[in-house]
Amino acid sequence: DTGVSQNPRHKITKRGQNVTFRCDPISEHNRLYWYRQTLGQGPEFLTYFQNEAQLEKSRLLSDRFSAERPKGSFSTLEIQRTEQGDSAMYLCASSLAGTGGIQYFGAGTRLSVL
Amino acid sequence: GQQLNQSPQSMFIQEGEDVSMNCTSSSIFNTWLWYKQDPGEGPVLLIALYKAGELTSNGRLTAQFGITRKDSFLNISASIPSDVGIYFCAGFIQGAQKLVFGQGTRLTINP
Repeated sequence: DTGVSQNPRHKITKRGQNVTFRCDPISEHNRLYWYRQTLGQGPEFLTYFQNEAQLEKSRLLSDRFSAERPKGSFSTLEIQRTEQGDSAMYLCASSLAGTGGIQYFGAGTRLSVL
Repeated sequence: GQQLNQSPQSMFIQEGEDVSMNCTSSSIFNTWLWYKQDPGEGPVLLIALYKAGELTSNGRLTAQFGITRKDSFLNISASIPSDVGIYFCAGFIQGAQKLVFGQGTRLTINP
């Protein structure tokens, strides 16, 4: 399977704990994006990388959120001191620069903060 | 910020009927994309539109990029049970890199 892969698919945690999600993009794609989706809404942009450089961060990305893409391949999204409001589906997407905005999404990680 | 208004929010139709949904925005986009999302899964790309006025088909799906570049519609002909799901429009602005999504249209089909 050469699509975007996300792990874990589901994460249940207690408020105050730290969580980390992983995304493996399509192998030749140099751009990687993180989105958050809450129930009944469309995905909302969080941040994106071109290769290993993080080029844009949304105001939705509070100081408790950090994303990395250390070698320009896989990416991790960490949430520190989780809050109940962080419960959502976290989606990763990847694209190839110059393809006019087409982004391919993974299956997502659903986070539940108790 | 940019917002996409997608309508209708939900549709209940009989199998075999045609479906039409649309998206409007106050902003101009370079690309319009239509995705379908099944429960617990990520969005899957259906159609991409790059030019104002462009009409593109993918099987029973047809989508158009509005002339003003501020709107798009998606039609599904002869609906079948596997068309059930949530359909999202998304706009892309060159330079901004991110996709801006509509709120989705939930399609339910009665057999």
